[in-house]
Amino acid sequence: NAGVTQTPKFQVLKTGQSMTLQCAQDMNHEYMSWYRQDPGMGLRLIHYSVGAGITDQGEVPNGYNVSRSTTEDFPLRLLSAAPSQTSVYFCASSYTKTARYGYTFGSGTRLTVV
Amino acid sequence: LAKTTQPISMDSYEGQEVNITCSHNNIATNDYITWYQQFPSQGPRFIIQGYKTKVTNEVASLFIPADRKSSTLSLPRVSLSDTAVYYCLVETGANNLFFGTGTRLTVIP
Repeated sequence: NAGVTQTPKFQVLKTGQSMTLQCAQDMNHEYMSWYRQDPGMGLRLIHYSVGAGITDQGEVPNGYNVSRSTTEDFPLRLLSAAPSQTSVYFCASSYTKTARYGYTFGSGTRLTVV
Repeated sequence: LAKTTQPISMDSYEGQEVNITCSHNNIATNDYITWYQQFPSQGPRFIIQGYKTKVTNEVASLFIPADRKSSTLSLPRVSLSDTAVYYCLVETGANNLFFGTGTRLTVIP
């Protein structure tokens, strides 16, 4: 049972580069989301999806794009990396958007933009 | 928005019971209270959830008073491996979960 798998675990980008953070889950969860975690800031929601073909913005969506073509995958795209996007990124999934069943988180991607 | 307030940090000695209280004054009727645990370099892990009164599992207990404006996570006989950040969350209705800064628990030998 893999749960939520994030790749890569570490990444260094130059300012202006683009990249995609991958997230896959094998639990048939409808809901998936991306958070970023910065020191002293807790986790902040970037984008989320309540099912294939449906995405919406969270608290800090600027500079990021998402798509959800399958139930299993929810990639996060950085369009033009900036130093302010240096952070640890977590993907989470759940049966539904509500807190009722808890979220399962991946192990994170540590991104550094230089 | 049912945001939560919890202490920034707590210290405890090994073997003691630890109680972390969370305030959520604006909790809505249908909201559940959920606690997560996060170790360094890992994603948060769901540990317990409740709606009212008391819930207990193999990891922790959750106490919720009748007015539901607060909740207390109780960790029995903590060990060094319980050193982590603990987040209290309340579903925010139409919005998604809000993770505050959590409570950093340090267990001292």
